[in-house]
Amino acid sequence: NAGVMQNPRHLVRRRGQEARLRCSPMKGHSHVYWYRQLPEEGLKFMVYLQKENIIDESGMPKERFSAEFPKEGPSILRIQQVVRGDSAAYFCASSIMTGEDGYTFGSGTRLTVV
Amino acid sequence: GENVEQHPSTLSVQEGDSAVIKCTYSDSASNYFPWYKQELGKRPQLIIDIRSNVGEKKDQRIAVTLNKTAKHFSLHITETQPEDSAVYFCAAPDGNTGKLIFGQGTTLQVKP
Repeated sequence: NAGVMQNPRHLVRRRGQEARLRCSPMKGHSHVYWYRQLPEEGLKFMVYLQKENIIDESGMPKERFSAEFPKEGPSILRIQQVVRGDSAAYFCASSIMTGEDGYTFGSGTRLTVV
Repeated sequence: GENVEQHPSTLSVQEGDSAVIKCTYSDSASNYFPWYKQELGKRPQLIIDIRSNVGEKKDQRIAVTLNKTAKHFSLHITETQPEDSAVYFCAAPDGNTGKLIFGQGTTLQVKP
């Protein structure tokens, strides 16, 4: 079992470019969650998805951020027109059922905007 | 929605001493409380969890206690070792969708 796979591990983007972060959940897990972690801060919820559905996007900024989890392929977190404040670690987690069964986290994508 | 408060934000202990981290939650319907450990530059990893039908759970040097009446739960680490140094996060599920809401984190430093 390969666990939750995130790529890339590190991503550098210039201001105004787009960032695309990928997450493949553990085998058998159909629930995917994205969290953002600023340096020396906690894990802030962004979005919760199941296959082809967004269940909860209450933590997503209203502009520039979007997420999807298509029927085939990984979940994608997309950030358009990145700004320096977007620099953070973005963690994906997956679970079999809802979070009440615990998450398995991926290794994260560390986004740096220059 | 759920709100989780965690204290202290930093904790420094001598090797061999005990460490206690406390969390409070707001949603009385919450019934699952995990703890995660995050080493520097790495992913958060689940170390122990507890469900509301028990008051305490232990796994070697780590234990978690739950007080549903007061809506708080605590992580206890005994005989601390330098490798216990990390950031620890508590969490509780949001009642609407079940997503986990995390506390602010506690940076534990164990001094040799």
